[in-house]
Amino acid sequence: DAKTTQPTSMDCAEGRAANLPCNHSTISGNEYVYWYRQIHSQGPQYIIHGLKNNETNEMASLIITEDRKSSTLILPHATLRDTAVYYCIVRPNYSSASKIIFGSGTRLSIRP
Amino acid sequence: ETGVTQSPTHLIKTRGQQVTLRCSSQSGHNTVSWYQQALGQGPQFIFQYYREEENGRGNFPPRFSGLQFPNYSSELNVNALELDDSALYLCASSSRTTSGTDNEQFFGPGTRLTVL
Repeated sequence: DAKTTQPTSMDCAEGRAANLPCNHSTISGNEYVYWYRQIHSQGPQYIIHGLKNNETNEMASLIITEDRKSSTLILPHATLRDTAVYYCIVRPNYSSASKIIFGSGTRLSIRP
Repeated sequence: ETGVTQSPTHLIKTRGQQVTLRCSSQSGHNTVSWYQQALGQGPQFIFQYYREEENGRGNFPPRFSGLQFPNYSSELNVNALELDDSALYLCASSSRTTSGTDNEQFFGPGTRLTVL
């Protein structure tokens, strides 16, 4: 079973920041928080990951709470192309447990 | 740099048949994972291959089997197809460091299998 809970769906206006929450209250000390997204009819795409510090890359920012029990993915200026299902995943980074356990994700709709 | 590619794109089979799906990993990647994604659900882990050996398996029966080749490409074989095997089959590749750490997985576009 997935170790994360996410809202089933969200929507956001184009040009605004999209904030996608994720709860992972049973996360272990050696587990990272990963975010992937899946645009319709495509394979999942890696977005970002982090352990305990906030992370930022060209696609998004990841804010992890101090107790690591929840996180938020931020798309700073959402566009129509960001419409997708977003998956929040926790997993260790070592090889013996590298499978990704996906939940149902959050379906994000960007409205014009 | 070439990304993960999969073939064929779409496939239609009948119940009881066998199918082979193929995956070419991204350049520099030595680990391949396979996932099954039923309509409306998240991908489910089938198994992973590293150095041509199975390195972890999800809750799938033995009729799901795989291979990894010296060039790190991979095949997924499914025998005795059932109607419920209809799904998008995704391949993901990643690089494993000498210390045993896996970097992020990059997914291919998938093969859409329909079993009639």
